[in-house]
Amino acid sequence: AQSVTQPDARVTVSEGASLQLRCKYSYFGTPYLFWYVQYPRQGLQLLLKYYPGDPVVQGVNGFEAEFSKSNSSFHLRKASVHWSDWAVYFCAVSMWSEGADRLTFGKGTQLIIQP
Amino acid sequence: NAGVIQTPRHKVTGKGQEATLWCEPISGHSAVFWYRQTIVQGLEFLTYFRNQAPIDDSGMPKERFSAQMPNQSHSTLKIQSTQPQDSAVYLCASSPRNTEVFFGKGTRLTVV
Repeated sequence: AQSVTQPDARVTVSEGASLQLRCKYSYFGTPYLFWYVQYPRQGLQLLLKYYPGDPVVQGVNGFEAEFSKSNSSFHLRKASVHWSDWAVYFCAVSMWSEGADRLTFGKGTQLIIQP
Repeated sequence: NAGVIQTPRHKVTGKGQEATLWCEPISGHSAVFWYRQTIVQGLEFLTYFRNQAPIDDSGMPKERFSAQMPNQSHSTLKIQSTQPQDSAVYLCASSPRNTEVFFGKGTRLTVV
């Protein structure tokens, strides 16, 4: 069965510093991978998505992620974080290659920005 | 485009009462999903519909939970005899086929 692991429940970075949020997936097939962000009292918003192809994908607000099949990873990066990036970030894998539509999510990483 | 609309945003029910949560998907989207979010369990898939037909309810608790999609403009999640452990944020989402999934803001259910 597919699964997603986000090993860091909480990450603290200084405003202006670079960021990496880690995501490891387990999926026997061709993964379609996503990063979603959840701001307080809001639903999930898509940051970026990976469909098989270029391993580095660009998203909104300066986020990017790199897919690695050998490491089963899909880490999220940003060169310079802003206070408005304070949110919870979720990595997810889809089952589209098996003809199913639902997403499986990791437990999420809370990003805290220090001034 | 108002996005996925969920009502109510907050609901408080007494233990043993019934709760009905409503979702209006984005017009033209063929898939509707329900997820449950808690601190302990994170985001859990409950069920989904494709073109109003139930496709996968493998995440639904077998007792007390039911979901319906009577027409393409709304879906409901009903919880009978609510228990404190049902307290969670219930998220509805919709999607065209095999593309981005759009989430509503959720309904926070509190069972007292």
